[in-house]
Amino acid sequence: QQQVKQSPQSLIVQKGGISIINCAYENTAFDYFPWYQQFPGKGPALLIAIRPDVSEKKEGRFTISFNKSAKQFSLHIMDSQPGDSATYFCAASIFSNSGYALNFGKGTSLLVTP
Amino acid sequence: DVKVTQSSRYLVKRTGEKVFLECVQDMDHENMFWYRQDPGLGLRLIYFSYDVKMKEKGDIPEGYSVSREKKERFSLILESASTNQTSMYLCASSANQREGRGNEQFFGPGTRLTVL
Repeated sequence: QQQVKQSPQSLIVQKGGISIINCAYENTAFDYFPWYQQFPGKGPALLIAIRPDVSEKKEGRFTISFNKSAKQFSLHIMDSQPGDSATYFCAASIFSNSGYALNFGKGTSLLVTP
Repeated sequence: DVKVTQSSRYLVKRTGEKVFLECVQDMDHENMFWYRQDPGLGLRLIYFSYDVKMKEKGDIPEGYSVSREKKERFSLILESASTNQTSMYLCASSANQREGRGNEQFFGPGTRLTVL
């Protein structure tokens, strides 16, 4: 079964707006939560990741918010740009020395209109 | 820069054919993964490997096998291709824990396989 649930499936945002994508997980053993960005014709690439010892992590215009008690985390894209149009995947896994496999959400297709 | 390459970008095969998808990474990563990506279903893990000659089943291993004879190469094998295996196949690799971005997976560009 899907261990990570992601919403919405698609999102349209105007340039300069805020894009918000949400994810929820069930397995309380998960302690590593990355977001991947995928452009058409390319493989996904790591965008930003968070561990549960912090509730928020910011890198440039991208912010992850993490709510451990609710088992939810979200990606916020501030000042969204047309170049941010891509598919975004959240994921969760156990953080370890041996690189556990990632459990991905189903993805969100983001379109930022000019 | 980490580079993960996949042998073909596009592949067309017939039902019942044996299909080999090759993946090579050049960063001496210990871990390698095979996913398939389908619209509305996201990325689903087929198999992964923590070391040479080691393999672990992912969420959807049925109809697939893998081979890892060398550290840099991870092959996905469809023993008898079927139409429901038409999909985008993505290979990824990751290093054991590193400072900063631990567990980061680096993906290849994908192979779009069509089984007729």
